[in-house]
Amino acid sequence: NAGVTQTPKFRVLKTGQSMTLLCAQDMNHEYMYWYRQDPGMGLRLIHYSVGEGTTAKGEVPDGYNVSRLKKQNFLLGLESAAPSQTSVYFCATRSMGTKAQHFGDGTRLSIL
Amino acid sequence: KQEVTQIPAALSVPEGENLVLNCSFTDSAIYNLQWFRQDPGKGLTSLLLIQSSQREQTSGRLNASLDKSSGRSTLYIAASQPGDSATYLCAVGKFGSSNTGKLIFGQGTTLQVKP
Repeated sequence: NAGVTQTPKFRVLKTGQSMTLLCAQDMNHEYMYWYRQDPGMGLRLIHYSVGEGTTAKGEVPDGYNVSRLKKQNFLLGLESAAPSQTSVYFCATRSMGTKAQHFGDGTRLSIL
Repeated sequence: KQEVTQIPAALSVPEGENLVLNCSFTDSAIYNLQWFRQDPGKGLTSLLLIQSSQREQTSGRLNASLDKSSGRSTLYIAASQPGDSATYLCAVGKFGSSNTGKLIFGQGTTLQVKP
């Protein structure tokens, strides 16, 4: 999906390790979101941001932290990875004027 | 708590058939409803967005309807093609979420259109 880039695309971690997922957008959108997608669970909102320097908790925030120091970047951090955090993580953005969200291609994260 | 349900979980149809995908939600106080398409290994692509004041939206062969009173939305696909094979998700924007855009997603319907 043009405009929303997620890094990395795949990653395998051991329990207890930490890592940061990066979402970068070039559409100058104000809103950014982190979701996780699990089989049979649909997408669930982890954290979101309504602008540079602001973040808020979503539906399933425990075990994750986020930062939005620059408008174009939204980082999702796992301080101590757990097997329950094995999932596909999606970043999405939205402009203030429109209602549709634009998604990246996802990061597939496995925690052993 | 808003819950969004999509039935069936999977659907297989022959090419050319018209079909309907269903989405139901438990709380009628919604801000909007969106339909997305997800191809394997890819992110979500927005197909149609219906505001709470609207009854339907159309884009090409796609038509989405919204009935808040019954808590239902349908996505109608006309003259289905193999390229329509994908997972279709609906998502509800909660009332009061207009300044945040938070969505509640259904689990999706995986569609296979056979040539």
